[in-house]
Amino acid sequence: EVQLVESGGGLVQPGRSLRLSCAASGFTFGDYAFHWVRQGPGKGLEWVSGISWNSDMIGYADSVKGRFTISRDNAKNSLYLQMNSLRAEDMAFYYCAKDRTATPDAFDIWGQGTMVTVSS
Amino acid sequence: QSALTQPRSVSGSPGQSVTISCTGTSSDVGGYGYLSWYQQHPGKAPKLMIYDVSKRPSGVPDRFSGSKSGNTASLTISGLQAEDEADYYCCSYAGSYTWVFGGGTKLTVL
Repeated sequence: EVQLVESGGGLVQPGRSLRLSCAASGFTFGDYAFHWVRQGPGKGLEWVSGISWNSDMIGYADSVKGRFTISRDNAKNSLYLQMNSLRAEDMAFYYCAKDRTATPDAFDIWGQGTMVTVSS
Repeated sequence: QSALTQPRSVSGSPGQSVTISCTGTSSDVGGYGYLSWYQQHPGKAPKLMIYDVSKRPSGVPDRFSGSKSGNTASLTISGLQAEDEADYYCCSYAGSYTWVFGGGTKLTVL
């Protein structure tokens, strides 16, 4: 079964760090690009970051650039998001999403998400 | 990276057709063919409904169709069914390995 499972969310104080993980199974992880997409409480979807199959291409939303770092380990079938200097506005459900291809396209498989709460 | 513009809400009766628009710029919607649409039911993860402007993944009913003209894309749902009631989001590649979503449209089936 094709599956993405996020973990690492939780309650964190403003200014602190958190690392999200996404474990993939049921397909060849290294063949595809991946993304993180977030959704604040009662809000719409916001693309956060993306990484190509071989980590050659990486992109970030302006709202997280310089604070978040995306990475992947193809040997471990895992995607990561290191989030530093967290702000109240970063509070959201964070989804891991698989791209349809190795190049820019669309997000065809999504995890169930992990909640990040930023509060003192 | 400004969000694409979608109507906040649309509605239709069962059996009718509705169209949701998604307006961007020549730097995103108008500049690339990587325009996708997602359906999200409350408390659930988004689901890909349309990719590359007008292509449907396997398993998505052909009642769902997509198109694009210039900087505006559209999602049309024909033969509305109760289960189509959900939030819909468009998403476009915006260059330099970045993507941008629309603000989302709530579809109500009357």
